[in-house]
Amino acid sequence: GENVEQHPSTLSVQEGDSAVIKCTYSDSASNYFPWYKQELGKGPQLIIDIRSNVGEKKDQRIAVTLNKTAKHFSLHITETQPEDSAVYFCAASKGGSYIPTFGRGTSLIVHP
Amino acid sequence: DVKVTQSSRYLVKRTGEKVFLECVQDMDHENMFWYRQDPGLGLRLIYFSYDVKMKEKGDIPEGYSVSREKKERFSLILESASTNQTSMYLCASGRLDEGYGYTFGSGTRLTVV
Repeated sequence: GENVEQHPSTLSVQEGDSAVIKCTYSDSASNYFPWYKQELGKGPQLIIDIRSNVGEKKDQRIAVTLNKTAKHFSLHITETQPEDSAVYFCAASKGGSYIPTFGRGTSLIVHP
Repeated sequence: DVKVTQSSRYLVKRTGEKVFLECVQDMDHENMFWYRQDPGLGLRLIYFSYDVKMKEKGDIPEGYSVSREKKERFSLILESASTNQTSMYLCASGRLDEGYGYTFGSGTRLTVV
């Protein structure tokens, strides 16, 4: 089955810096890659996703890149703010069931 | 907005009790899921369902069962709760097709003593 590795497990940055979270996946058939943000005391919330026919997608301060050849994808957050502090999960899924396999999460801490 | 509502935020149960965790979604989604979340282990899939009365085992189904009698409701059952089932339980729902992101509930923190 699919295996998703996520790094780092913890990321500490100063407000205004950029943050990058990286994930690799094992199943070359995976074609949908969502990212979720989980704030303290809440369930994960979808913040951005990318499909395998696209190399990059942006939404304001967040962007996701996908390298199908290397089977890795990354989340980039620019101009970080304290409210970006949360746990971020990547996931990979494929056609048929589209059941996602999640990475283990990255705890992002943005220091004011 | 799509809502996924979990009936309890916190639960404390005794070892050996039968425990029901309820989840309701309001967007007519076909798929519903139960995950447990533990520090360092991420989100692990317990069971999921494609439709009413349908259920499929996830990665860690042992000690759990589920029920889906109506499309909007998906229940997780711990037949005989044990201390190693102390965890955060998250319900999610989503569309069946095209690989869209899922909507999660706020979670139920279950403590088994």
